[in-house]
Amino acid sequence: AQSVAQPEDQVNVAEGNPLTVKCTYSVSGNPYLFWYVQYPNRGLQFLLKYITGDNLVKGSYGFEAEFNKSQTSFHLKKPSALVSDSALYFCAVRDNYGQNFVFGPGTRLSVLP
Amino acid sequence: GAGVSQTPSNKVTEKGKYVELRCDPISGHTALYWYRQSLGQGPEFLIYFQGTGAADDSGLPNDRFFAVRPEGSVSTLKIQRTERGDSAVYLCASSYGTSGPLNEQFFGPGTRLTVL
Repeated sequence: AQSVAQPEDQVNVAEGNPLTVKCTYSVSGNPYLFWYVQYPNRGLQFLLKYITGDNLVKGSYGFEAEFNKSQTSFHLKKPSALVSDSALYFCAVRDNYGQNFVFGPGTRLSVLP
Repeated sequence: GAGVSQTPSNKVTEKGKYVELRCDPISGHTALYWYRQSLGQGPEFLIYFQGTGAADDSGLPNDRFFAVRPEGSVSTLKIQRTERGDSAVYLCASSYGTSGPLNEQFFGPGTRLTVL
């Protein structure tokens, strides 16, 4: 069965600095990887996904993520953080056998002015 | 345009009661998902519909949980004999196309269920 780990409950970064939110996964076969964000009092929103192809994926709001097969990781990155990026970030994975999704426990990102 | 809507936004019930949670997906989205999110955790997959049929119900925790989507649009999640451990936020999401979970999912605001 697939699983997702987000090793950091909380990430703090100063505005304007680069940010990284970590994600590692375990699946049988090829992984399909996703990042979703949950802003306060709002529903989950899609950020980006990796299905196949280029290992560097670009998504919404200037975010990007790099798929690393050897390290089974899919870390979320942004070159310059904004205070408005403060939210709860979820990594998710699906394998190519089943239909369901597995979400990680989430990482709370706080960008300090 | 209208997003995914869920009703009610909050539901408080007593242990042992029956509840129904409703999801209205985005018009034209053939795929619909139900998740459960407990405090401090990520969403937990329950069931995935493609059209009217349940393509994957492997996440339903037991036979007290059931979901339907009779006309391929609105879905209802039904919980019988509720238990305190069922308390959580129940999320619904929809997506277009037939690639199911490979497509971007649009989430509703959730229904917060509290079982006393």
